[in-house]
Amino acid sequence: KQEVTQIPAALSVPEGENLVLNCSFTDSAIYNLQWFRQDPGKGLTSLLLIQSSQREQTSGRLNASLDKSSGRSTLYIAASQPGDSATYLCAVSNAGKSTFGDGTTLTVKP
Amino acid sequence: NAGVMQNPRHLVRRRGQEARLRCSPMKGHSHVYWYRQLPEEGLKFMVYLQKENIIDESGMPKERFSAEFPKEGPSILRIQQVVRGDSAAYFCASSQGLAEITGELFFGEGSRLTVL
Repeated sequence: KQEVTQIPAALSVPEGENLVLNCSFTDSAIYNLQWFRQDPGKGLTSLLLIQSSQREQTSGRLNASLDKSSGRSTLYIAASQPGDSATYLCAVSNAGKSTFGDGTTLTVKP
Repeated sequence: NAGVMQNPRHLVRRRGQEARLRCSPMKGHSHVYWYRQLPEEGLKFMVYLQKENIIDESGMPKERFSAEFPKEGPSILRIQQVVRGDSAAYFCASSQGLAEITGELFFGEGSRLTVL
């Protein structure tokens, strides 16, 4: 059974800092890994999708890496801004079903 | 709006009533997924459907819950005889194809069910 763990559960940083969010999964037989952002009371917004054959993806200030063999992914956020405050979720997908971590709640202080 | 559309956004039911949640996938998407997010918990997979077919319902409770995705119209998640423990946010996602082909999930804003 796939299990996804995200560390830390919560993170508070001052504006402008670079930061790393971690995601680990127990079964390396995945098709892809996706990072999402969820604001309070809202749905999930897709940030980055990494296919199992890829090592990383970049979008603006975000960079996500995937090491499938070790069951790890990181989301790097450069030059954080207060608007980045949200819960960040990672999800690994296998045959149509995605398993989510419990998320990292990020607060960026002005 | 070409996004995943869910309605109602908020639904209040009394114990024993039925709840019906609807989801229209993104245009061009034929795969629909339902997830549940209980208060202070993560998202849990419930069911994966294609048009007129249930592909994987391993996350669905054995009783009172059912889902369909008819040839025409939205996907429906139906909860019969609701209980307080059903209070949660129910999210629908869609994708263009199977995970190994495209796989990117797009989520709706969710339907928040409150059972009194």
